[in-house]
This record gives sequence, structure tokens and C-alpha cells, in this order.
Amino acid sequence: DQQVKQNSPSLSVQEGRISILNCDYTNSMFDYFLWYKKYPAEGPTFLISISSIKDKNEDGRFTVFLNKSAKHLSLHIVPSQPGDSAVYFCAASGVQGAQKLVFGQGTRLTINP
Amino acid sequence: KAGVTQTPRYLIKTRGQQVTLSCSPISGHRSVSWYQQTPGQGLQFLFEYFSETQRNKGNFPGRFSGRQFSNSRSEMNVSTLELGDSALYLCASSERPTGGGYTFGSGTRLTVV
Repeated sequence: DQQVKQNSPSLSVQEGRISILNCDYTNSMFDYFLWYKKYPAEGPTFLISISSIKDKNEDGRFTVFLNKSAKHLSLHIVPSQPGDSAVYFCAASGVQGAQKLVFGQGTRLTINP
Repeated sequence: KAGVTQTPRYLIKTRGQQVTLSCSPISGHRSVSWYQQTPGQGLQFLFEYFSETQRNKGNFPGRFSGRQFSNSRSEMNVSTLELGDSALYLCASSERPTGGGYTFGSGTRLTVV
């Protein structure tokens, strides 16, 4: 039972344009959501998070949007840069982050010059 | 300060053998979690330890076990290895058990032949 799903295994975007990565979840008990970025041969690094009491959180070029009714979140990267090429994982947890993280399968983002 | 250290980085084992992986968390971090990453499956939660106690366990067979020592270092053990156990095993630490705020190590790449 995949409670967190990233339906796009890969995404290719031109440098300077917007990258939009999507994530869906099924467990209505999730109330804290995170995005991690992973380069080959390295562990995931935390990018940005959002609590269910918000519908948007921004940090520089990264913005996460949460649509609770649709159980959907998205990560926007504007403008996209070559260094953004990596695998992006969406993750969710319950009780304001006090429970284990459940990860999606990941989306490989490639930024083309 | 030093990050999360996982040893060894790479390991090749034969079916039926057992393996022990090690994780040294960031100094001061008392929570350690383990994840298995395989292509197409994302990061699957194995278990979480806090102050030497297992707080959470994922849906893995009993061949997968772990422990945490008084200095917060953690080990995970896989017995009777199967080909399907080939994966990247990631360890993450945080100051306390929370879904966010994890810092991941670079992982141990286990190949079972």
C-alpha cells in the first residue's frame, strides 16, 4: 500500500523555466510534508517542509503547495538551474512530524541547458 | 560538526550470509532511523531507535533487525540474505524522534550475489 505516490518517475525542464514536481498521498492522518533532494552516491538532503495548517511555504527558489482536499502537494522550483538536477522525494508524517516518515518513489529531475 | 557516518560504503555478500551495517549519528542526536532504497520503491522505512529503544518498525521480515547503543550509534543486521535485499541502506539521525529534521548519511550499498 503506497501511501505517498510520485507518479512521474522523471521530468525534464529547460534551464530558467519552472519545474513542478507532484506528490499525492492517501492517508488523511498525515499532517506534515517534506521534500528531500538526492544526488547519486549521497544521502537525501532536506529541502523544504509544510504543515497541514498552511497551504503554501516558500524558501528562496523553492515553494511547496499543499491541497488538503485533494491530498496533493507540489514543489515548484523557479528558476530551474543545472544544479537542481537530482532525484526529489516527497515524504509525509503524522502528529506534526512526530511519526515516521513515509516516502514516495522519487522523481528524477533533469535541467537542460 | 561531522555528519552522519555509515560504514561500510559498499558491500558484496552471497545469498544466505548475514551482514551488519553501522551508523554513527551526528553528535548530540539520539534518534536514528534506517531506510531501504530500491529502484522504483523509494525509501522504505525499516526502524527507528531513540535512547536505545526501538520506537517504530516498518513492514520488513524478521531477518531485518537493529539496535542502538548508549552512545547513540546504531547497527542493523540482515540475516539469511536474499537477492532482493540488494539496495542502498540509509541511516538518518535527529535530535529527537520527529518526522522532519532528519540528516541522512550517504548510505551503504549492499549487493547480494
